[in-house]
Amino acid sequence: EVQLVESGGGLVQPGGSLRLSCVASGFTFSSYNMNWVRQAPGKGLEWVSYISSSSGTIYYADSVKGRFTISRDNAKNSLYLQMNSLRAEDTAVYYCARGYSGYGYWGQGTLVTVSS
Amino acid sequence: EIVLTQSPGTLSLSPGERATLSCRASQSVSGSYLAWYQQKPGQAPRLLIYGASSRATGIPDRFSGSGSGTDFTLTISRLEPEDFAVYYCQQYGSSPYIFGQGTKLEIK
Repeated sequence: EVQLVESGGGLVQPGGSLRLSCVASGFTFSSYNMNWVRQAPGKGLEWVSYISSSSGTIYYADSVKGRFTISRDNAKNSLYLQMNSLRAEDTAVYYCARGYSGYGYWGQGTLVTVSS
Repeated sequence: EIVLTQSPGTLSLSPGERATLSCRASQSVSGSYLAWYQQKPGQAPRLLIYGASSRATGIPDRFSGSGSGTDFTLTISRLEPEDFAVYYCQQYGSSPYIFGQGTKLEIK
């Protein structure tokens, strides 16, 4: 069974940092492209970042470029999102999602709250 | 950057009726790389359609996708009670892989 489990969310002050993790199981993690998608409370989905299976291709949404860094460790079946210079508007549930041609598997999400 | 506009914002229908949801792109979506998702409250999104018209694994055949270029449609042929949710389109032909703002399908 494919599972994606995010962790690392929490309450952080504006300007602070957090590192999100997503641990994958039930499939060959190193063969799949991965993504982070977020959803602010009561709002729609916002794509955040993409990383190819080998980490050779990385993309970011303009809203996070220069502040967030996506990475992966295929040996640990793990995806990461390093978030720096956090702003109130980064408050959201952050999901990791597998795939490129549509995201067929999603984690349950981890809540990040940026507030003083 | 491609912008996706979904319409209507809210669609009120009854079980058994046909639903037609629209997703219009500000420029052509390369390769018809467009997906549709369903999201229910408190749940992660669920992939319904990819490549504009291919159903994802386990998706009932009452869901169908069509379109190309800038105009795409998700059709639910006969609404079941469990179909009432929010639906999003997403393009993945070129970064950024934008989502539309969503269409809420509610029970009339």
